[in-house]
Parts: sequence; structure tokens; C-alpha cells
Amino acid sequence: DGGITQSPKYLFRKEGQNVTLSCEQNLNHDAMYWYRQDPGQGLRLIYYSQIVNDFQKGDIAEGYSVSREKKESFPLTVTSAQKNPTAFYLCASSSFRTTRGTEAFFGQGTRLTVV
Amino acid sequence: AQSVTQLGSHVSVSEGALVLLRCNYSSSVPPYLFWYVQYPNQGLQLLLKYTTGATLVKGINGFEAEFKKSETSFHLTKPSAHMSDAAEYFCAVSVTTGFQKLVFGTGTRLLVSP
Repeated sequence: DGGITQSPKYLFRKEGQNVTLSCEQNLNHDAMYWYRQDPGQGLRLIYYSQIVNDFQKGDIAEGYSVSREKKESFPLTVTSAQKNPTAFYLCASSSFRTTRGTEAFFGQGTRLTVV
Repeated sequence: AQSVTQLGSHVSVSEGALVLLRCNYSSSVPPYLFWYVQYPNQGLQLLLKYTTGATLVKGINGFEAEFKKSETSFHLTKPSAHMSDAAEYFCAVSVTTGFQKLVFGTGTRLLVSP
């Protein structure tokens, strides 16, 4: 079945550590996205990528980094510079680049907790 | 800038009652609108979407939404709530700023009591 796989589902990080969240899709989508979800704030865009080897900052990119070396993969690194990293992280993909009005498909999320 | 506003962070209904979740949009161009549902600790699943054409959109699990340009609204309804409908619901608008992205509302948590 086609879909988006995020791993791990739960992640614990010590303060000062970098951690990388994995996102893989087999939907052949060009566009991929990372959102952060906090209670009462909806989903906020961290980074997005329209094509391999290209990505752009979203609304809350500070303290995060990404790469897009393969079409299928869009990993997110939460760096020690992110002051409040505890949140639920959602990866999504879409064929937006070619078809406006197409929905985004989401992974099951990674819950990151700083301990 | 295009955006959506969801009125009410929590909505409580009894099983069998009408579900009404409110979403208003702001857009200077014809909007593409979406409703997603999220169950605890899971990703988002598309319920329905409005692009063009018929203003009454039917989705999965018995939900529907009506696009009303005069009211800039896209409210989500279901005639009869089930316990399994308890979840968080997000309204979103497709934004064009050199590329396509979804901008989400803050979400409405639906509580269903027996």
C-alpha cells in the first residue's frame, strides 16, 4: 500500500542533543512537508520541499534543519537550538506541485519529548 | 493572506445528535478548502474537500460540508453523531505563495457522550 511512514513513533531527547525524525513516502509525490502540532495551535509549517535537493523554510524553521536527497525521503533534524522541541511532528506529502487543490497525505506522526 | 478560523476549540454533543463544526475562511481568490480528522496520537485523514463545482461536498463517515461564499464559511456537519466520531477536526485552506501549501485552523475537539 502507498503511504507515508514516520519513525520512530515516540522519541525522547536529552537537552542539548540533536535528533532526526524520519519520513519516507512511496506515493511518488514531489512535494513534502513537516508540520509541528502543539495543543490549541493547530499545525504550523516548519519546512517544505517541492523537489529533490531543494527545500524552503516555513513559518517556524528556527532550530530545525532538513535534507531532500531522494524523492522518497525528507528527514527532519531537531537541533539543540530549538528551545521548546517537545511536540507532535507530522510529515506530509502531496502532488501540489502539479495539481492545485490536491490534498496532502499525512504520516502517523512522531511524538518528541525532551527529558 | 489566506487563512481559516475555527470557532470553538471544543464541541460536545450527545450520541445521535447533529454535529456542526464551524470554519470561516479569508481569501482574496477562490479558495480550495479541506476538512481533516485526527484521532489521538495519529496523523490526519482527509474527510472531504472543496475545489470547484458543487458547493455541498460529501465526505467519508457521513460528514458533509457546504461552501458558502456569501458567508465565507465551510462548516462541517453530520446528521447523527456516533461515539467513534470523537476526535479533533481541522479545517484548512490551500494557499498559493509560489508553491502550494495547506494552512490549518487551530482545530476543534469533538466530544460525544452516550
